[in-house]
Amino acid sequence: GAVVSQHPSWVICKSGTSVKIECRSLDFQATTMFWYRQFPKQSLMLMATSNEGSKATYEQGVEKDKFLINHASLTLSTLTVTSAHPEDSSFYICSARDTKTGPNEQFFGPGTRLTVL
Amino acid sequence: RKEVEQDPGPFNVPEGATVAFNCTYSNSASQSFFWYRQDCRKEPKLLMSVYSSGNEDGRFTAQLNRASQYISLLIRDSKLSDSATYLCVSPADRGSTLGRLYFGRGTQLTVWP
Repeated sequence: GAVVSQHPSWVICKSGTSVKIECRSLDFQATTMFWYRQFPKQSLMLMATSNEGSKATYEQGVEKDKFLINHASLTLSTLTVTSAHPEDSSFYICSARDTKTGPNEQFFGPGTRLTVL
Repeated sequence: RKEVEQDPGPFNVPEGATVAFNCTYSNSASQSFFWYRQDCRKEPKLLMSVYSSGNEDGRFTAQLNRASQYISLLIRDSKLSDSATYLCVSPADRGSTLGRLYFGRGTQLTVWP
């Protein structure tokens, strides 16, 4: 099956620093990738939809200047959390949609656990 | 109103038990749904798709009730390894939100020996 990787799998940083998370589709091309955030005992909340070669579409309440998304190729999307604060500590998960299958076929990365001190 | 609503549980059942979860959805036009399984600190993994009247895969049966707008997941002969959080998911199939998935909060299941 299709594989999506994320890097890093976990990161601890100081408040005020920026953190970049990579999401890669390893064996398929993904014109669309999705970024989710999950707080403890909560569901996955979609943050933004990332489209290759164009600007990301952010969900209501998600600051585009704080969560920078770049989708420069068909296999890579990055999420940068700028000036991270403790309230940004969460589990960040990406998913990728295979262009060759149906629109609802999404494959999830293993997630990145961010802890901001 | 949320697109998908689930009872968060937890459900605690002994091995071998049968357990059922329900999930309600708000968009009456939705055609398909998914059940995902998420283990602690892991990503969600697709368990079953639910189209039209339902789907069965081994010990797992998913049903769709359009009249009442709910989806159910039945697990028979529960195993210890079934312990996880089960997420009800509705895909968006309207215009610009195509491909987006709406996740329920998840129902936590613990199977004890």
